[in-house]
Amino acid sequence: GAGVSQSPSNKVTEKGKDVELRCDPISGHTALYWYRQSLGQGLEFLIYFQGNSAPDKSGLPSDRFSAERTGGSVSTLTIQRTQQEDSAVYLCASSLGSTNTEAFFGQGTRLTVV
Amino acid sequence: AQSVTQPDIHITVSEGASLELRCNYSYGATPYLFWYVQSPGQGLQLLLKYFSGDTLVQGIKGFEAEFKRSQSSFNLRKPSVHWSDAAEYFCAVGGNSGRRALTFGSGTRLQVQP
Repeated sequence: GAGVSQSPSNKVTEKGKDVELRCDPISGHTALYWYRQSLGQGLEFLIYFQGNSAPDKSGLPSDRFSAERTGGSVSTLTIQRTQQEDSAVYLCASSLGSTNTEAFFGQGTRLTVV
Repeated sequence: AQSVTQPDIHITVSEGASLELRCNYSYGATPYLFWYVQSPGQGLQLLLKYFSGDTLVQGIKGFEAEFKRSQSSFNLRKPSVHWSDAAEYFCAVGGNSGRRALTFGSGTRLQVQP
């Protein structure tokens, strides 16, 4: 597609359930980022994939969070045993290279844990 | 560690007035600096970026920003604000050393009065 696509756009889940959020980056973009934006807050870095390098997972808030990127393209962010504090908008971005190139953002997935 | 501070959480200006949004960064090497805008219900869009060279950079929608290394600042300016500029503005820093993902500030929400 023309831009970064995220699905679902909205997700309501019960506390304790697992959720999967999907990101389709722009074709040819080697870098992919996940960020979390809580209400009224800035963007919190979660994880960064660059080509075939080991991902930078330093932003993941707990071991309940994990992400993978298959075939250097689609990425899935998984949150296990969701908690209410996980409620936020999860944003995915991709770029041609590392952080010296523009990152293009998707519309985000709004996750609500009830 | 890299970090970004946007000291103004919320700014209100009158339409036609000038605007300056502040951004201070902390980075151990030459930073790559970005300003993004997030309109209500929209994804993040890049306004402008600084990598090297001229410290005054021009962006889209009539915005500009000036990199001042001595002050570790990258303030965003616009000479005459339009009602459509009402949005959330995020400053970000990246680079080739340390953590490779973009680090964002907490954002400044701009309101424009008629």
